[in-house]
Amino acid sequence: TQLLEQSPQFLSIQEGENLTVYCNSSSVFSSLQWYRQEPGEGPVLLVTVVTGGEVKKLKRLTFQFGDARKDSSLHITAAQPGDTGLYLCAGAAGNQFYFGTGTSLTVIP
Amino acid sequence: DVKVTQSSRYLVKRTGEKVFLECVQDMDHENMFWYRQDPGLGLRLIYFSYDVKMKEKGDIPEGYSVSREKKERFSLILESASTNQTSMYLCASKVGGAGNTIYFGEGSWLTVV
Repeated sequence: TQLLEQSPQFLSIQEGENLTVYCNSSSVFSSLQWYRQEPGEGPVLLVTVVTGGEVKKLKRLTFQFGDARKDSSLHITAAQPGDTGLYLCAGAAGNQFYFGTGTSLTVIP
Repeated sequence: DVKVTQSSRYLVKRTGEKVFLECVQDMDHENMFWYRQDPGLGLRLIYFSYDVKMKEKGDIPEGYSVSREKKERFSLILESASTNQTSMYLCASKVGGAGNTIYFGEGSWLTVV
């Protein structure tokens, strides 16, 4: 069962632009993780958010967990070609994890 | 840093062969997972294990089995590989208990011809 909806599925932007990726659910999660995956590699953890309303920053990346802990967003400022990849969100509920289908981002130099 | 290591990055096997995918983690994590990732389908859970010698079926266990004889090692077995098992296989681990962060290995690309 797919509990997490990610949008958009595909995104192609010019270097220097800003973008936001959304991860939405009707379920409550105890924590939510964001990963970046490059072709042929495993997902690499970017951040874990735990508290409703929490905001975390990682250089040009800003992550927010919704107040009700049902959704999250990832905002990238001044995107760089090195940001290209598949972005996955994953929600933890009990001992289970539920993954979004991912957002494929291409940043054009 | 957490390290999840998958021993085989790229494999090509023939239909009907028995295939072993090995995964080792070095952080004493109780929980380990095997997923497969296919375009348009996202990550799908095959099997997971809460502890040594324990295993639970995930969403798509058919055609697969697993073994966890030691805490650090979780093996995925394809008893008789078929072409529809061509995929990227991802091993993951985490500390036991609810929530916590899940960490992935580098992935194993399996092609069945």
